[in-house]
Amino acid sequence: RKEVEQDPGPFNVPEGATVAFNCTYSNSASQSFFWYRQDCRKEPKLLMSVYSSGNEDGRFTAQLNRASQYISLLIRDSKLSDSATYLCVGNTGTASKLTFGTGTRLQVTL
Amino acid sequence: DVKVTQSSRYLVKRTGEKVFLECVQDMDHENMFWYRQDPGLGLRLIYFSYDVKMKEKGDIPEGYSVSREKKERFSLILESASTNQTSMYLCASSLQGGKETQYFGPGTRLLVL
Repeated sequence: RKEVEQDPGPFNVPEGATVAFNCTYSNSASQSFFWYRQDCRKEPKLLMSVYSSGNEDGRFTAQLNRASQYISLLIRDSKLSDSATYLCVGNTGTASKLTFGTGTRLQVTL
Repeated sequence: DVKVTQSSRYLVKRTGEKVFLECVQDMDHENMFWYRQDPGLGLRLIYFSYDVKMKEKGDIPEGYSVSREKKERFSLILESASTNQTSMYLCASSLQGGKETQYFGPGTRLLVL
């Protein structure tokens, strides 16, 4: 079983829609989680950290469910510029290492 | 802003050549990482370093070595390039500790012929 698993998509949604991605992790000792965004042929960039209590940054909301070992990302009022691949990331419990999911591709259309 | 730079955006090498990929970060970060990214496989950790002259194997170290002589610089070396090492190589850095956000360089697209 992969340490971090995501649905690869693609998710095709119209502008203005709300879309949610889930990601499951296998290591119950994982402590830190992040969502990264990666545009085509570019490097991953941090979108937001995921906190236990859930957190929001504008149109983006991240949630952590430790009991079921998943994290989620909700995007409200999708914009064309949100089209990208979203990477779910967790630390493995080993110092300094993060594990990246393979990414979920989002395509927002007119 | 954190800046991570990589020596080349695109590189074409021949099988058997020795290849050096350089990465430099300007934020005094303790940790540095080398990944490769391939379609369908995501980012896979090759090596990382948590201090000068220290290195740790990642998930796929075979065929690679690294060097960290200075804190700001982390080099990835392909001793004898092979076609299955054609990939996107990404360098990242983070502050001390495993919980910290990693910041990536722009990547090097390596093609081995």
